[in-house]
Amino acid sequence: GENVEQHPSTLSVQEGDSAVIKCTYSDSASNYFPWYKQELGKGPQLIIDIRSNVGEKKDQRIAVTLNKTAKHFSLHITETQPEDSAVYFCAALPGGYQKVTFGIGTKLQVIP
Amino acid sequence: DGGITQSPKYLFRKEGQNVTLSCEQNLNHDAMYWYRQDPGQGLRLIYYSQIVNDFQKGDIAEGYSVSREKKESFPLTVTSAQKNPTAFYLCASSLKQANQPQHFGDGTRLSIL
Repeated sequence: GENVEQHPSTLSVQEGDSAVIKCTYSDSASNYFPWYKQELGKGPQLIIDIRSNVGEKKDQRIAVTLNKTAKHFSLHITETQPEDSAVYFCAALPGGYQKVTFGIGTKLQVIP
Repeated sequence: DGGITQSPKYLFRKEGQNVTLSCEQNLNHDAMYWYRQDPGQGLRLIYYSQIVNDFQKGDIAEGYSVSREKKESFPLTVTSAQKNPTAFYLCASSLKQANQPQHFGDGTRLSIL
C-alpha cells in the first residue's frame, strides 16, 4: 500500500518568513495530492491540491510543487502570519480509488 | 451552507459501554469515511462507505462498527471490544469520482470515564 512520509514534524518561523513542508510517497500510481490545515479542536480543511499532470500550483501565499520522478511534493507558505499556525497534513490518493493515505502532520508555529 | 456535522463534540464512555458517534452530510456525496486521530499518529482509517448499504473496513476496524442506511448519514459505534477508545474521531465525505478531496467534520472527542 501507499506510504506517505512528512517532514518536519514541527516548524517554527518568524512572522513574514516562508515555511516549507515536504512529503514523499511510495506508490507510483498515486496521482492526486491534497494538503489540509487543521486548527485546534477542528477538522482538517483542504487548502490546496495538485494533480499529477501539473508540476506546481499557487493560490495567493500558498503553493504546492510536485516531482513525480522523485515521488515528493512540498507545501510552500510565503509571508507567514500568526493565523497560519496550525497542523498541516499532506496526503496521496491512487487513481480511481478514494482511500487516502495521510502524512503524520507538521505543527507550524508562526512567531509574531 | 453545505457541510458535515458531527455530534456530539465531546463524549464520555464508561468501561463496557457501546457509544455511537453521529455524522451527517448535506453535500450529496456518495462516499463517507471515519478516521481516528491520536497525537503523533496522523489520521487512521476506521471504515469507509462508497454507496448506501455498503461499507468496508479500513486499517483499524477492530472494535468499531458502522451502518450506511441513508446517503446522508454514516454513524460509528465504538464497542466495548475497543480497548483504547480515547481519541479524536473525524468523519469525512467525498464525491465518488477519482481524485476528489475529502471534506471533514469538526470531530468528536471521546474519553473514557
